[in-house]
Amino acid sequence: TQLLEQSPQFLSIQEGENLTVYCNSSSVFSSLQWYRQEPGEGPVLLVTVVTGGEVKKLKRLTFQFGDARKDSSLHITAAQPGDTGLYLCAGASFNKFYFGSGTKLNVKP
Amino acid sequence: KAGVTQTPRYLIKTRGQQVTLSCSPISGHRSVSWYQQTPGQGLQFLFEYFSETQRNKGNFPGRFSGRQFSNSRSEMNVSTLELGDSALYLCASSLREVYGYTFGSGTRLTVV
Repeated sequence: TQLLEQSPQFLSIQEGENLTVYCNSSSVFSSLQWYRQEPGEGPVLLVTVVTGGEVKKLKRLTFQFGDARKDSSLHITAAQPGDTGLYLCAGASFNKFYFGSGTKLNVKP
Repeated sequence: KAGVTQTPRYLIKTRGQQVTLSCSPISGHRSVSWYQQTPGQGLQFLFEYFSETQRNKGNFPGRFSGRQFSNSRSEMNVSTLELGDSALYLCASSLREVYGYTFGSGTRLTVV
């Protein structure tokens, strides 16, 4: 079983739609990151959140860290085909790093 | 500043051979981690090195090994290659885990 559970696993939407990806755990993390990966490339760090309840915005992307630092969400407004990729959440806890299983997003033009 | 550099980018090996992959982290990053990524299993943690010491290890057989040099550069070695070792091998470096990791572009290993 994964320490970090992501949902949904797959998401196929039309350009312009909004979406939310969730990352949940029963464990507490000192920080949580979101990455985006394109095929054949390494994941690219999008954001790091460290404070419970923290909300960060990156253009059309909004990231939230749960109050108890056990979960996080990524919301994309008005998705574009360029948002297509694999979204991974990852958490740091006691010098260890855990990745979620990923959400594969496809935005159709 | 330069990112994480992995070499080679692509590699084709035969079953039974061994392979060594190289990773140069971002300057100043002392933590280097290795991951195996396959379509079926996702991102699987191999091991992490910090200041030349293996700090964490994933659930991989002993055929997978690694090391880190005094300049933080790291290598991983896979001996007696199996078809199932075909994957994208990713290296990532970090200043501190809490800040997240910077990944290289990976080495695509194909075992035939």
